[in-house]
Amino acid sequence: EVQLLESGGGLAQPGGSLRLSCAASGFTFTYYAMGWVRQAPGKGLEWVSAITGTGAGTYYADSVKGRFAISRDNSKSTMYLQMNSLRAEDTAIYYCAKKGGAFDVWGQGTTVTVSS
Amino acid sequence: EIVMTQSPATLSVSPGERATLSCRASQSVSSKLAWYQQKPGQPPRLLIFDASTRATGIPARFSGSGSGTEFTLTISSLQSEDFTVYYCQQYNNWPLTFGGGTKLEIK
Repeated sequence: EVQLLESGGGLAQPGGSLRLSCAASGFTFTYYAMGWVRQAPGKGLEWVSAITGTGAGTYYADSVKGRFAISRDNSKSTMYLQMNSLRAEDTAIYYCAKKGGAFDVWGQGTTVTVSS
Repeated sequence: EIVMTQSPATLSVSPGERATLSCRASQSVSSKLAWYQQKPGQPPRLLIFDASTRATGIPARFSGSGSGTEFTLTISSLQSEDFTVYYCQQYNNWPLTFGGGTKLEIK
């Protein structure tokens, strides 16, 4: 069974940092691009970042460019999102998703709250 | 950035009836368009990819059509579990973008 499990969410102060992880199982991880999508409380979906299967290509939404960094360790079937200079507007549920064109498998999400 | 506009924001339909949801792109996305369903407290679920291909396990009452800038998700005979929120998303260009969503409610 294909599964994605996010971790690393929590409470951070404005200007602080968090590192999210997404552990994958049930498929050949290195074959697929992966991405992060977030959802602020009561709002719609916002794409955050994506990374190619090899990790050579990375992509970011303008809202996080220069502050967030996506990476992956294919030996561990795990993707990461390093989030720096956090702002209140980064408060959201962060989902990791497998990208086969569209996002065909999603994790349950991890909640990030940025507040003093 | 390609802007995805979904209409209507809320759609009221009776169970057993047909629902038609629209998604418009600000420029052509070819057929690189997906539809997702999201129920409260759950992650989104992929329904349709490449504008008209049902994802694995999706019932035949869900169908997608369109190309270029105009797309439609049709649910042919609404079941109780279908009343929730639907999003479209283009993956033809970076940045990837989602529509604002359509809430399907019981009439």
